Amino acid sequence: QSALTQPASVSGSPGQSITISCTGTSSDVGSYDLVSWYQQHPGKAPKLMIYEGTKRPSGISSRFSGSKSGNTASLTISGLQAEDEAEYYCCSYAGSSTSVFGTGTKVTVL
Amino acid sequence: QVQLQESGPGLVKPSETLSLTCIVSDDSISSYYWSWIRQPPGKGLEWIGYILYSGTTNYNPSLKSRVTISIDTSKNQFSLTLSSATAADTAVYYCARGQGWGGWYFELWGRGTLVTVSS
Repeated sequence: QSALTQPASVSGSPGQSITISCTGTSSDVGSYDLVSWYQQHPGKAPKLMIYEGTKRPSGISSRFSGSKSGNTASLTISGLQAEDEAEYYCCSYAGSSTSVFGTGTKVTVL
Repeated sequence: QVQLQESGPGLVKPSETLSLTCIVSDDSISSYYWSWIRQPPGKGLEWIGYILYSGTTNYNPSLKSRVTISIDTSKNQFSLTLSSATAADTAVYYCARGQGWGGWYFELWGRGTLVTVSS
């Protein structure tokens, strides 16, 4: 069970859109619509941003959206804002009642 | 609003057992999946395992031989024990509430507690 692969860093200017990829395998991301995304600011607990691939919890801005193609899930942040600067992690059900997180992506707002 | 609070020793000696408890602020412990997740300093998140209110558990295969998660619904709390601790177990440990089918997304988290394994 290996960690899902994310780019180490992604950056963008305020107002721009960025996309973070999360690549797994046919045993996890590719087989289930059970990818979730978390935002983590330094020294804070992670916060759920997207669940079941595309759904937003109550209170999460519509600027955050999720998608999937094959073994790769993606998180798109549109209208990038300063407060979006954080670490982002994907997570997927991996079968056999286990879960696996991604390697994490540092988002920088230029 | 429901809150989760981790508690336990911040320092554990190598080869000893790491033990943490998560207190749930209301009686929703009887309705959800409850997970432990950890994060070594400067590194990513790792799912440790979960327990259902019924006592059913599932663990990360890489930790399964050393991990036990238990629940006490009468006290609204669940616990983690990790035996034979090493420096590699040094991390911030989070408890989290799982939602959805199988509890596979974590919609509520504790603040986390740092556990250092060192002599």
